[in-house]
Amino acid sequence: AQKVTQAQTEISVVEKEDVTLDCVYETRDTTYYLFWYKQPPSGELVFLIRRNSFDEQNEISGRYSWNFQKSTSSFNFTITASQVVDSAVYFCALSEAKNAGNMLTFGGGTRLMVKP
Amino acid sequence: DSGVTQTPKHLITATGQRVTLRCSPRSGDLSVYWYQQSLDQGLQFLIQYYNGEERAKGNILERFSAQQFPDLHSELNLSSLELGDSALYFCASSARLAGGPNEQFFGPGTRLTVL
Repeated sequence: AQKVTQAQTEISVVEKEDVTLDCVYETRDTTYYLFWYKQPPSGELVFLIRRNSFDEQNEISGRYSWNFQKSTSSFNFTITASQVVDSAVYFCALSEAKNAGNMLTFGGGTRLMVKP
Repeated sequence: DSGVTQTPKHLITATGQRVTLRCSPRSGDLSVYWYQQSLDQGLQFLIQYYNGEERAKGNILERFSAQQFPDLHSELNLSSLELGDSALYFCASSARLAGGPNEQFFGPGTRLTVL
């Protein structure tokens, strides 16, 4: 069965610090997809990134970067020079290709608090 | 704005009652997913429809049911409500089923409070 673990329940940093959110996943499927979503205080879930299991290249988007390592089953998310607006709950999610519905299995989330 | 709409935004009701949550997917999306977010269970997948047909079921209680209509909007029906059903219910839609899971775009959610 698929499982996603976000061991850090809460992280607090001061603005401009770099912060890494950890995500470890379990799957028996060889083809799978990993996602990160952001849930700001307003409550909606905002899509950040999708990565398939065959693409281990790291990705950078502005201050955000993602490190995918199949060897350790991890898909970590780094925010560089954090800002107060980055305060949110961040969810890592997994979808196995064999699942007909392609539903997402979410981790428990990491609450990031960025203080001015 | 994800393009997915959900109504109502808030719903307060009593135990034993029945409610209907409504979702309109992004234009052109055929897949609709329902998720429940609660403090004790986290974000859990409930059920998925693709072009009007049920495609996958997750941890959905028998008291809950859903459907997707010809215009692709979806409704989630929750009956015999219990206190533990209080949660944020999200609808999400995605572009296509084949070719691997696409990103799902989430609506703003419906916050259900059962008193």
